[in-house]
Amino acid sequence: GENVEQHPSTLSVQEGDSAVIKCTYSDSASNYFPWYKQELGKRPQLIIDIRSNVGEKKDQRIAVTLNKTAKHFSLHITETQPEDSAVYFCAASKGGGFKTIFGAGTRLFVKA
Amino acid sequence: NAGVTQTPKFQVLKTGQSMTLQCAQDMNHEYMSWYRQDPGMGLRLIHYSVGAGITDQGEVPNGYNVSRSTTEDFPLRLLSAAPSQTSVYFCASSSPHALNTGELFFGEGSRLTVL
Repeated sequence: GENVEQHPSTLSVQEGDSAVIKCTYSDSASNYFPWYKQELGKRPQLIIDIRSNVGEKKDQRIAVTLNKTAKHFSLHITETQPEDSAVYFCAASKGGGFKTIFGAGTRLFVKA
Repeated sequence: NAGVTQTPKFQVLKTGQSMTLQCAQDMNHEYMSWYRQDPGMGLRLIHYSVGAGITDQGEVPNGYNVSRSTTEDFPLRLLSAAPSQTSVYFCASSSPHALNTGELFFGEGSRLTVL
């Protein structure tokens, strides 16, 4: 089955700096790669996603890149703000949300 | 639309007791799933369903049962609770026909403690 590894487990940055979180997946049939943000005590919520026919996607201060050959995908947050502090999860699935497998999560701290 | 509704939000059980976590969605989503969240281990898939009458095992199914008699409901049953099942449980739904295919919509979570 699919296995998703995520690094680092904890990331601390200064406000205004960039943050990068990296993930790898094992199943070459996976074609949908979402990123979820979870604030303390809340449910995970989708912040950005990418499909296997696209190499990069941007939405304001966040971007995701995908390297299908290497089975790597990454989340980039620029100009970080204190409200970006949360746990971020990468995930992989074969589409439709079917059997979405998550990474272990990255706890991001943005220091003001 | 209420989205995905989970009950109860908090529950304390003794070892060996049984209970059911309820999950309902009003978005007519075909796909529903249960995850457990433990510190440092992310969200692990317990069971999932692609439609009424169809269920299958995820990454960590042992100790849990599910059924899907309707599109809306997907209860998770613990038959004989163990301390290792202390966790936060999330129900999620999605649809291959939704505007953003693949996005999971989560309930608020149920925090279960087994003593």
